[in-house]
Amino acid sequence: NAGVTQTPKFRVLKTGQSMTLLCAQDMNHEYMYWYRQDPGMGLRLIHYSVGEGTTAKGEVPDGYNVSRLKKQNFLLGLESAAPSQTSVYFCASSSAWQGGGYTFGSGTRLTVV
Amino acid sequence: DAKTTQPTSMDCAEGRAANLPCNHSTISGNEYVYWYRQIHSQGPQYIIHGLKNNETNEMASLIITEDRKSSTLILPHATLRDTAVYYCIVRREDSSYKLIFGSGTRLLVRP
Repeated sequence: NAGVTQTPKFRVLKTGQSMTLLCAQDMNHEYMYWYRQDPGMGLRLIHYSVGEGTTAKGEVPDGYNVSRLKKQNFLLGLESAAPSQTSVYFCASSSAWQGGGYTFGSGTRLTVV
Repeated sequence: DAKTTQPTSMDCAEGRAANLPCNHSTISGNEYVYWYRQIHSQGPQYIIHGLKNNETNEMASLIITEDRKSSTLILPHATLRDTAVYYCIVRREDSSYKLIFGSGTRLLVRP
């Protein structure tokens, strides 16, 4: 049982490049979330999904897009990366039936130069 | 969602109880108190949550005051592995189940 898997684990992008971060969960969870964490700070919610085919904006959605075409996958896209998007990105999933506790992935460390 | 206030940092001795306070004076009746921790740069780990009754699991105990305006997370016998940032989060149980993190308390367990 892998839980929540994020790929890639590390990536360096040049300003203006695009990329997609993949989050996959094998727990049949309905809810999935993307967070970013800047050095010395707490996590901030970027986008989230309450089910397959749905997405919604979180606290800091600008510059990011998401898709949830399959229940087990939640993709986070950066269309034109900026240095301000240098951060660690965490994905999480949750089921309403597990008391609301999230399972987090191990993170993707992204540097935009 | 209600805002929470936590001390920036705390420390305790290994083997002693660690008591982490959290103020949430604007909490509403349908909002739960959640605790997570983040060890080094790993993904946050769920610890415990509660509505108004005290809760206990294998990791910790959660004490919520009768007026629900504050709570305390108790790690009964802290170990060096408990050194982490602890987040207290108040969350409305609506259709999104989203968690909004604050800056947390950095707990250092001393040998």
